[in-house]
Amino acid sequence: DIVVTQSPDSLAVSLGERATIDCKSSQSLLYNYNNKNYLAWYQQKPGQPPKLLIYWASTRASGVPDRFSGSGSGTDFTLTISSLQAEDVAVYYCQRYYHSPPLTFGGGTKVEIK
Amino acid sequence: EVQLLESGGGLVQPGGSLRLSCAASGFTFSSYAMNWVRQAPGKGPEWVSLISGSDGSTYYADSVKGRFTISRDNSKNTLYLQMNRLRVEDTAVYYCAKEAQPDTVMAPYDYWGQGTLVTVSS
Repeated sequence: DIVVTQSPDSLAVSLGERATIDCKSSQSLLYNYNNKNYLAWYQQKPGQPPKLLIYWASTRASGVPDRFSGSGSGTDFTLTISSLQAEDVAVYYCQRYYHSPPLTFGGGTKVEIK
Repeated sequence: EVQLLESGGGLVQPGGSLRLSCAASGFTFSSYAMNWVRQAPGKGPEWVSLISGSDGSTYYADSVKGRFTISRDNSKNTLYLQMNRLRVEDTAVYYCAKEAQPDTVMAPYDYWGQGTLVTVSS
């Protein structure tokens, strides 16, 4: 099975500063057929289900603020929060949805305010 | 407005069974693949099962294969998960999740329910 690994497990960032989360896949998530990376990012706040932020590695979901951006291709991906706001405190997960199950989630990164 | 409402969770003894339901509204249910995703206390999400919208193709995580059965009734806009031979490690909040793109499978999830808690304990 494809393994998806996130880092760091947690990070503390000052308000207004940049937060960066990495996600690494054990196999490429780039599907040559359509040149798309089958990777998504979710945000989960306590007591809530995950919320889709980014799909195709870099496409923001509807209503997601533009301070959230995704980048990367193949096996290495990054979620960046350009200017951390108080409401961004949450756990963030990457998920690969490439080609065949299981549709693996990363282990999560907890983002807190420094 | 898309809504997903899970029900059927509860406390069950190891080896027992439960049937979860997810009532969907606000979209053309039959056009979208649906998933069950679970989350154990303090852990990350774990994909459990997927069913396509059209031909009913099903997929399962190895951890539940042979014990859980996913199904859907497109006339009732309802998704199901029949869980048999439950184990302590199946304890989790179970979410139903709608895929973001119609007429395909294995897409990201743009809507999730609020979840239903399944506790397996003696």
